[in-house]
Amino acid sequence: RKEVEQDPGPFNVPEGATVAFNCTYSNSASQSFFWYRQDCRKEPKLLMSVYSSGNEDGRFTAQLNRASQYISLLIRDSKLSDSATYLCVVNKGGSYIPTFGRGTSLIVHP
Amino acid sequence: SQTIHQWPATLVQPVGSPLSLECTVEGTSNPNLYWYRQAAGRGLQLLFYSVGIGQISSEVPQNLSASRPQDRQFILSSKKLLLSDSGFYLCAWRGLGQGRNYGYTFGSGTRLTVV
Repeated sequence: RKEVEQDPGPFNVPEGATVAFNCTYSNSASQSFFWYRQDCRKEPKLLMSVYSSGNEDGRFTAQLNRASQYISLLIRDSKLSDSATYLCVVNKGGSYIPTFGRGTSLIVHP
Repeated sequence: SQTIHQWPATLVQPVGSPLSLECTVEGTSNPNLYWYRQAAGRGLQLLFYSVGIGQISSEVPQNLSASRPQDRQFILSSKKLLLSDSGFYLCAWRGLGQGRNYGYTFGSGTRLTVV
């Protein structure tokens, strides 16, 4: 089993739609989780950390399910500008060594 | 404020030539530093990380090496490039003492093509 797994997509959704991505991780000792956004040919940028109790930032909601070892990202009211690749990041065990998933591609169309 | 610089932005090198990519961080002390590579259409692969001057950990054995001669400087090198070394090289940092929910900040990357 890969350390961090994501559905590569693409997820093709209309503007205004709600879309959700999941990411599974294999190391039950992992303590830190993040979602990053990567635009084509650019560096990844932090979208949000994922807190144990779940957290929300505007249209974005992140959840952590430790029992099933997955994190999720929900995007509401999708905008054209949300089109990008979303990377799931999990720290190895209790370390500060991040492992990236291969990313989920989102395409928002008019 | 903290910033991270990577250069060059693009590089075309012949097979067998040496490589040196540099990354520097400003506005912080004793950061954790990381080198990643992203091959075309692939995920980010951790190559090296460093928790201090002269302390380098390698994640993947290959013909690349890394050095940290100064606290905020991280260098990726190769003596002889292979075609398979082509990719998008990214440097990242994380501040010392930051809580576990603080993420990693990336430089703008170097796109390397080996010909």
